[in-house]
Amino acid sequence: SYVLTQPPSVSVAPGQTARITCGGNNIGSKSVHWYQQKPGQAPVLVVYDDSDRPSGIPERFSGSNSGNTATLTISRVEAGDEADYYCQVWDSSSDHQVFGGGTKLTVL
Amino acid sequence: EVQLVESGGGLVKPGGSLRLSCAASGFTFSSYSMNWVRQAPGKGLEWVSSISSSSSYIYYADSVKGRFTISRDNAKNSLYLQMNSLRAEDTAVYYCARANTAMVIGQFDYWGQGTLVTVSS
Repeated sequence: SYVLTQPPSVSVAPGQTARITCGGNNIGSKSVHWYQQKPGQAPVLVVYDDSDRPSGIPERFSGSNSGNTATLTISRVEAGDEADYYCQVWDSSSDHQVFGGGTKLTVL
Repeated sequence: EVQLVESGGGLVKPGGSLRLSCAASGFTFSSYSMNWVRQAPGKGLEWVSSISSSSSYIYYADSVKGRFTISRDNAKNSLYLQMNSLRAEDTAVYYCARANTAMVIGQFDYWGQGTLVTVSS
């Protein structure tokens, strides 16, 4: 089955740029979606189809996808961005949705 | 406003059954595929099952295949998850989520608040 690998944690100072990676075999050939989840809340879609943003999501959130790595980039990080972030793809070979293990973003 | 409201969670003994429901409103339910995603305490998100808009395509995670059944009633704007032969490892918050297309591929653009299922003797 298809596996998505994320770093367990990423730390960044306020105002800096956070980059959260999502690794998978030839993930560049798939559409990657990213979710933000704050404690006690449901996940929220922040980036879809590699780099598109839903309405209401700040431009500070962006995404890229190439080769074996997709990346969620959060510019000018704010305290309110502290959350768990998950990547997701549809694996057509198994007809399964797949989530990465999640990355906890800490704002120092 | 899109709303997804799950219900039906609770405490059940190992080997028992439970039926979750998700009431949808604020959009044309019959035009979108729907999904169940769960999250064990302190753990990450795990996809459970997906159903296309017309119920023509249904998929399950390997961990629940043969025990769980997803279904929908487009006339009632409702999604269901029948869970049988429950195990301790099924303990989780279960989320109902809408995909942005009629088919099961695609991002989950709206989520419910979740319902907690606890499997314990």
